[in-house]
Amino acid sequence: EDQVTQSPEALRLQEGESSSLNCSYTVSGLRGLFWYRQDPGKGPEFLFTLYSAGEEKEKERLKATLTKKESFLHITAPKPEDSATYLCAVQADAGGTSYGKLTFGQGTILTVHP
Amino acid sequence: NAGVMQNPRHLVRRRGQEARLRCSPMKGHSHVYWYRQLPEEGLKFMVYLQKENIIDESGMPKERFSAEFPKEGPSILRIQQVVRGDSAAYFCASSPPMAREAFFGQGTRLTVV
Repeated sequence: EDQVTQSPEALRLQEGESSSLNCSYTVSGLRGLFWYRQDPGKGPEFLFTLYSAGEEKEKERLKATLTKKESFLHITAPKPEDSATYLCAVQADAGGTSYGKLTFGQGTILTVHP
Repeated sequence: NAGVMQNPRHLVRRRGQEARLRCSPMKGHSHVYWYRQLPEEGLKFMVYLQKENIIDESGMPKERFSAEFPKEGPSILRIQQVVRGDSAAYFCASSPPMAREAFFGQGTRLTVV
């Protein structure tokens, strides 16, 4: 069974204080690892897809990296508007069929104080 | 290009009533997924549909829950005889054929009283 574990559960940062969120996973053949951002009362907002170990992607103050067992979401010089829950999800290889089912972690609640 | 549209955003039902949640995927997207987010829990997969077909319903409770995605119109998640434990946020996501990324709607928050 595919599993995703995120840590820490909650993270409080001061504005400008860089840090990283962790996502550990076990999956029967990784088709993709996804990061989403979710604001209270809203749906998850797509951030990144990573496909293979060693891959990195960046968007503004966020950088996502991937190894064979885990992914990190690095946040550089965060701002209060970066406060949100960050969700990690994996998609398993369905043997060549187009299949997008996601298995999510519990999320990391990030709070950035001004 | 409008995003994934879900309605209603909030739904209140009394125990024993039926709840119908609707999802219109993004233009050009023929794959729809339903997820449930219970309080203090993560998003859990429920069902994966393509037009007129249920591809995977392994996450659906065996009773009272059903889903469809007709040739015309939105996808519908139906919950019959709702109970308090059904109170949750229900999210729909869609993707185009062969794509890996799925895009989510804003969800329907179901409250059973």
